[in-house]
Amino acid sequence: DIQMTQSPSSLSASVGDRVTITCRASQGINNHLAWYQQKPGKVPNLLIYDASTLQSGVPSRFSGSGSGTDFTLTIRSLQPEDVATYYCQKYNSVRGTFGPGTKVDIK
Amino acid sequence: QVQLVQSGGEVKKPGASVKVSCKTSGYTFTNYGIIWVRQAPGQGLEWMGWINTYDGNTDSTQNFQDRVIMTTDRSTNTAYMELRNLRSDDTATYYCARSCSGGSCYSHFWGQGTLVSVSS
Repeated sequence: DIQMTQSPSSLSASVGDRVTITCRASQGINNHLAWYQQKPGKVPNLLIYDASTLQSGVPSRFSGSGSGTDFTLTIRSLQPEDVATYYCQKYNSVRGTFGPGTKVDIK
Repeated sequence: QVQLVQSGGEVKKPGASVKVSCKTSGYTFTNYGIIWVRQAPGQGLEWMGWINTYDGNTDSTQNFQDRVIMTTDRSTNTAYMELRNLRSDDTATYYCARSCSGGSCYSHFWGQGTLVSVSS
């Protein structure tokens, strides 16, 4: 099975900072990658699909890029409401593995 | 509007089974698959398995292949996930989510989660 890794596992940044989270697949997955935001006690919220397509209603400060094995999620200007854990998920096959998550805090 | 409503929390003893339901509405049930995802307390998301709601075909990860049974009731647009031979490390919140008919894909619509606690 393809394994997904994320880095960093956690980060702390100031309001207004640009934040980048990396997701890597152990084999190529084309652009079959999604990003989710999960706040404590809440259901995961889809941010990005097909590596770079912004889900309707998601603020434009979120963007995704990448293809093959390396992907990034960027928050252009971090806001207090962005405090959450972010997960990538691959879906190039029937099985849809999640990355281990990146916890984002405000400094 | 699309909704997935899961059954309530459960407390089980080790070795028992649990069956979680996921009642859907607001879309054509058989046009989309359902995935099951779990999250242990303080841990990340773990993809468990997928069911094709049209023909009942399923796939699950090796972690669960011997213990999980995924089914659907097309008359009530409901999906079910049964996990057998429960262990304490199965304590988690279990989510259903709408997926693609051909397999896993991104999931915009999720159930609210069902907390399953396993303790002697």
